[in-house]
Order: sequence, then C-alpha cells, then structure tokens
Amino acid sequence: GAVVSQHPSWVICKSGTSVKIECRSLDFQATTMFWYRQFPKQSLMLMATSNEGSKATYEQGVEKDKFLINHASLTLSTLTVTSAHPEDSSFYICSVPGTSGRKISTDTQYFGPGTRLTVL
Amino acid sequence: SQQGEEDPQALSIQEGENATMNCSYKTSINNLQWYRQNSGRGLVHLILIRSNEREKHSGRLRVTLDTSKKSSSLLITASRAADTASYFCAPSTGGGNKLTFGTGTQLKVEL
Repeated sequence: GAVVSQHPSWVICKSGTSVKIECRSLDFQATTMFWYRQFPKQSLMLMATSNEGSKATYEQGVEKDKFLINHASLTLSTLTVTSAHPEDSSFYICSVPGTSGRKISTDTQYFGPGTRLTVL
Repeated sequence: SQQGEEDPQALSIQEGENATMNCSYKTSINNLQWYRQNSGRGLVHLILIRSNEREKHSGRLRVTLDTSKKSSSLLITASRAADTASYFCAPSTGGGNKLTFGTGTQLKVEL
C-alpha cells in the first residue's frame, strides 16, 4: 500500500518558538494533502487542505497565520506551528488521497504516522 | 464533507468474541470508509463500501451499508487482543475529497 511519512515523529519545544512538521508521500504524487489535529482521547479534527501550487484551504476556526502550510512539491507538504503555546500541544496527522491510474484507490486516504508536539 | 457518528463510544469484549460497531451519517454519499487507529498512531484504512453495495467482506471484517437508513456497521469476527484500537467511519462523496471523523468507537479486546 501507499506510504506516507511524517517528520519528526515527536518534538518538544519552548513556548514562543516555531515548529515545522513535514508530510511526505513516498509512493505517489499528491496535489492535495490534508492536515489533522488530535487531542488526547478525541477525534481527528481537520485543520486544512494543502494544495500544491496554491494556497491552503483552512477549516473554520483554524488560524491560517498560526498554522502555515506550504505544499512545496507534489510529494511534500509542511505545517509550521508559529509561536507555539502549550495549548498547541497535540498530535498532528497528515493524509494523502489515493491517485487514479494506479492500484491505489482515489477514494482512500493514506495517513502518516503522526507527529506528537509538546510545547513547554 | 460530512462527519459520521460512531456508536457505541466504547466497547469491551473478550478475545474470540465478535465486535459490532455502528455508524450513522446525514447526507448522500458515494462511499463509506472505516479506519482503525492504534494508540498514538495514524489511521489505517480498513475497508471501503460504495453506495451501491450492501455488504462487503475483508478477512475478519464485515461491513454493511444501508443507504435508506444512512447507516453502516462494522463487524469484527473472532476478535484478538491486537484489534484493540479506535475505529472511525468516514462517509465520503468520493474523488479524494476531505474526510471528517466522529469520536470513534474505542474497542478493547481482553485476553
């Protein structure tokens, strides 16, 4: 199956610093990627849709200036949490939809392993 | 996108028993997907059922879909301790569109 990687897998940072999380699609190109956030014992909350070559589309209530998304290439999207605060501590997960023309279903999402962010 | 709601929120069974969890949604769909999440990990796609299908099997998994009731169920037969995880349904309009998730069913399979 498709493989999506995230880096780093976990990060601890001081309040006020910025943290960049990478999401890579290893098996196929992706013009779209999705970013989610998950608090302990809660569901995944969709934050934004990352679009290659254009601006990301943010869900209602998500601050675009705080969560900067850059879809640098067809295999890489980055999420930067700027001026992180303890309340930003969470589990961040990206996903990539399948691609037509291959054995991977376009309707299926392939998720990365997640990045655990802890802001002190 | 629309969100599915899973029921029950938590389920605890003994190894070897079957586990059934349900999903309800509100609007028309192209397909419905089930995902599993082990603690501290990303989601893993389990099975996809299309709107014109009523039942689908994959190994120990059986999924049903009733579009008239806007509901789906996931049955895990002969459960194992390794099945302990959270399970989420995701109704989809297809085409790689974004998915949103409910709170999931937390399944615990005890030895």
